[in-house]
Amino acid sequence: GAVVSQHPSRVICKSGTSVKIECRSLDFQATTMFWYRQFPKQSLMLMATSNEGSKATYEQGVEKDKFLINHASLTLSTLTVTSAHPEDSSFYICSANQGGTEAFFGQGTRLTVV
Amino acid sequence: QQQVKQSPQSLIVQKGGISIINCAYENTAFDYFPWYQQFPGKGPALLIAIRPDVSEKKEGRFTISFNKSAKQFSLHIMDSQPGDSATYFCAAKSRSNDYKLSFGAGTTVTVRA
Repeated sequence: GAVVSQHPSRVICKSGTSVKIECRSLDFQATTMFWYRQFPKQSLMLMATSNEGSKATYEQGVEKDKFLINHASLTLSTLTVTSAHPEDSSFYICSANQGGTEAFFGQGTRLTVV
Repeated sequence: QQQVKQSPQSLIVQKGGISIINCAYENTAFDYFPWYQQFPGKGPALLIAIRPDVSEKKEGRFTISFNKSAKQFSLHIMDSQPGDSATYFCAAKSRSNDYKLSFGAGTTVTVRA
């Protein structure tokens, strides 16, 4: 299957700083990528849909100024957590659609804000 | 409001036994039903998927049973192995909703040796 690479896998940052997470489709072009957040022992919660060359669409309740998404190319989407606070600590996961229905997930990024 | 309801929340099965996880949905526009396996600290990985025009799909030890009239689908893991211990998520998506996945709450499966 197709490969989606997410970087970094773990990051620790100080409160008030910003953190960027990258999501790359390695062997296919992804017109649409999705960003999820997952709390311990819970399901994945969709944060936003990222479309190449256009603004991201955010789910209700997700602060677009806090979670900046940029889909600059058909193989790269980035999520920047701005002015991070401890409550932003979570597991962030991206997925990419190759064009059909199957979604390929990255390995996730564990963000810890101290 | 969760569009896909999944049960049980957790289950324990002996090695060689059968694990069964059930999901139900309401949105009849859903046209694709995948199951994902997730290990701790990792992203989900597609296990098996089915479309509503098929009642059953089998891949190795994993089988999806789909009941369109009841709006239910289930995952059966045959001959469960300790390596199958993971969290399993059912999901559904529709073309009309930009192929966004609606996930179930997840089932943690523990296979005892």
